Amino acid sequence: AQKVTQAQTEISVVEKEDVTLDCVYETRDTTYYLFWYKQPPSGELVFLIRRNSFDEQNEISGRYSWNFQKSTSSFNFTITASQVVDSAVYFCALSDPTLPGTYKYIFGTGTRLKVLA
Amino acid sequence: GAVVSQHPSRVICKSGTSVKIECRSLDFQATTMFWYRQFPKQSLMLMATSNEGSKATYEQGVEKDKFLINHASLTLSTLTVTSAHPEDSSFYICSARTLLAGGNSYEQYFGPGTRLTVT
Repeated sequence: AQKVTQAQTEISVVEKEDVTLDCVYETRDTTYYLFWYKQPPSGELVFLIRRNSFDEQNEISGRYSWNFQKSTSSFNFTITASQVVDSAVYFCALSDPTLPGTYKYIFGTGTRLKVLA
Repeated sequence: GAVVSQHPSRVICKSGTSVKIECRSLDFQATTMFWYRQFPKQSLMLMATSNEGSKATYEQGVEKDKFLINHASLTLSTLTVTSAHPEDSSFYICSARTLLAGGNSYEQYFGPGTRLTVT
């Protein structure tokens, strides 16, 4: 069965600190997608990244970077020089995109990040 | 990117009444839409998968007679919470899936959510 684990329930950092959010997943599929979403207090999910299971290259987008390691089934997310506006709940999710009947997003429990000024 | 809207964004209803939530894909056709529920400080839990023109598939533990889902067109799915009770108060999020160019994989876009409060 597919499963996503975000062991960090809540993290507090001081502005400008770097912070890494952990995500560990389980799947028997060889083809899958991994996602990160940000959910600010407004509730709307903000898409951050999608990573194909065949692409293990790390990615950097501004202050955000992602480390995908299939060997450890992890897809960790790092925010560099955190800002107060980064305060939100971050969800990691897993899905199998190729089989219509099983195309479901499995969400982790989320990590609440608080960035203190 | 593609846009999914939900209406209303917030709704307050009295216990025992029914409330309908709409989910629309604004600039693409969605053969499949998904409905999620999120309780405060919890994760998103899939409630049901809705395919256009057919009956929805509900996840285990979700009452299909209480949460009526209709997917009458390729751009609209509705979730009706019947005989709502305070425990149904939650944040309901829909998503719409579209087939990507090439026909081999899908993309899913989330709506902004509807906050339901049952008093």
